[in-house]
Amino acid sequence: DVKVTQSSRYLVKRTGEKVFLECVQDMDHENMFWYRQDPGLGLRLIYFSYDVKMKEKGDIPEGYSVSREKKERFSLILESASTNQTSMYLCASGRSRGEQYFGPGTRLTVT
Amino acid sequence: GEDVEQSLFLSVREGDSSVINCTYTDSSSTYLYWYKQEPGAGLQLLTYIFSNMDMKQDQRLTVLLNKKDKHLSLRIADTQTGDSAIYFCAGQNYGGSQGNLIFGKGTKLSVKP
Repeated sequence: DVKVTQSSRYLVKRTGEKVFLECVQDMDHENMFWYRQDPGLGLRLIYFSYDVKMKEKGDIPEGYSVSREKKERFSLILESASTNQTSMYLCASGRSRGEQYFGPGTRLTVT
Repeated sequence: GEDVEQSLFLSVREGDSSVINCTYTDSSSTYLYWYKQEPGAGLQLLTYIFSNMDMKQDQRLTVLLNKKDKHLSLRIADTQTGDSAIYFCAGQNYGGSQGNLIFGKGTKLSVKP
């Protein structure tokens, strides 16, 4: 079974803090994704990586950066957290861009 | 790019069939997908259909694709309380199989015993 794990299920951070969300997959997938999920807005793609050290901006990259130093790990970084980044963050991986396997999500609250 | 619309809520009784509908704008998407999200969990790929197919059946799930009307539906036969979840329809942006997924906002299916 494909397994995608995320470092935390729940996280509370203060405004202005630097926040790291980690995602690890165990299926040697080339592609990894970070989404945020908000009520009424559905899932929106933040960043996508198709190989180690390679990344593409998604639909809402502002305020975020990513790092992929190893194939199995994809990190999402909030450089200076703000209250409007309070959300559910979902990581996914896949051999193709369509067939994706999701982690359980990290619910981030910024106060 | 792709835009995907679906109704937000559906309520059915246990044992009935559920039909979740979706419309999309980009007719060049190679595949169209259905994902399921159970409470407190990430999304799980349920099924997908290749764009040159009209129908795909997988156990209790039937996917119907009407390319002319750009309409996709997911039918769940003999719906169970364990089917209660949010169901997302997704197409691929800019068509083909290389675009990123564009998700609908999700349909919350409630199954009453």
